[in-house]
Amino acid sequence: DTGVSQDPRHKITKRGQNVTFRCDPISEHNRLYWYRQTLGQGPEFLTYFQNEAQLEKSRLLSDRFSAERPKGSFSTLEIQRTEQGDSAMYLCASSPTSGRPYEQYFGPGTRLTVT
Amino acid sequence: AQTVTQSQPEMSVQEAETVTLSCTYDTSESDYYLFWYKQPPSRQMILVIRQEAYKQQNATENRFSVNFQKAAKSFSLKISDSQLGDAAMYFCASYYGGATNKLIFGTGTLLAVQP
Repeated sequence: DTGVSQDPRHKITKRGQNVTFRCDPISEHNRLYWYRQTLGQGPEFLTYFQNEAQLEKSRLLSDRFSAERPKGSFSTLEIQRTEQGDSAMYLCASSPTSGRPYEQYFGPGTRLTVT
Repeated sequence: AQTVTQSQPEMSVQEAETVTLSCTYDTSESDYYLFWYKQPPSRQMILVIRQEAYKQQNATENRFSVNFQKAAKSFSLKISDSQLGDAAMYFCASYYGGATNKLIFGTGTLLAVQP
C-alpha cells in the first residue's frame, strides 16, 4: 500500500483555463474527500464520495468546480475558467467505510497557481 | 456552526523540552472525534493522535499526548522530549460523522524546534 497519491503535484495555469487534478486513494478505502488549503489556513472541506456516489458538497464548490469518482476508485477534480482566487493547495484524503471511517489519510496535495 | 480554534499561530520549543499546543472547539454534538494532524513543510499531512469524545482517558502516542477537557471543549497537544523532526504546522481537527463526514480544521500552529 503506497498511500494516497495525487497528480500533478504542481500546476501553473493562466486565468480562464481549465485544470483537472487526479487522486488515487488507498486501495481498500471506500470514502474519498477533497479539501482546499489556502496559505495560512487549515484545509476546508470541498466534497466527499462513498464509492462512486458524491454524498456531500460544500458551498465552497461553485459551479466551476466538478468532481467525479466514476468507478469508485480514483477521483478527479476539475476547475473550469480558473480565477486567481482558486490558487491553493488541493488535498485529497481517503478513509475506510467500516472500522475507523473517521481516520482520513491525506495525499501530498496539488498546488495550483493561477496567473 | 461547528468550529475549531487554534489561538497560537506560532510556538517555539528547545530540543528535548516539552511544549503544549492549544485547541478549543464548539459543538452541540455528543458523539465526535478530535485529532491532531502534523504537516511538515512541503510534505503531506499525517495523523498524530486521535481522541474519542466518549472516552474520559486522554490519548497517548509515544511522545505525544492530549489533555481533553470535554466540558471546557478544550483539546491540547503535549509534545514531550521535542525533536528537530517535530518542526511542522500542527492542525487540530474535529469529526462528527452522521450526516457529515468532513473534518473541520483549525488555522494551525507553526511549531519551531530550536537546537
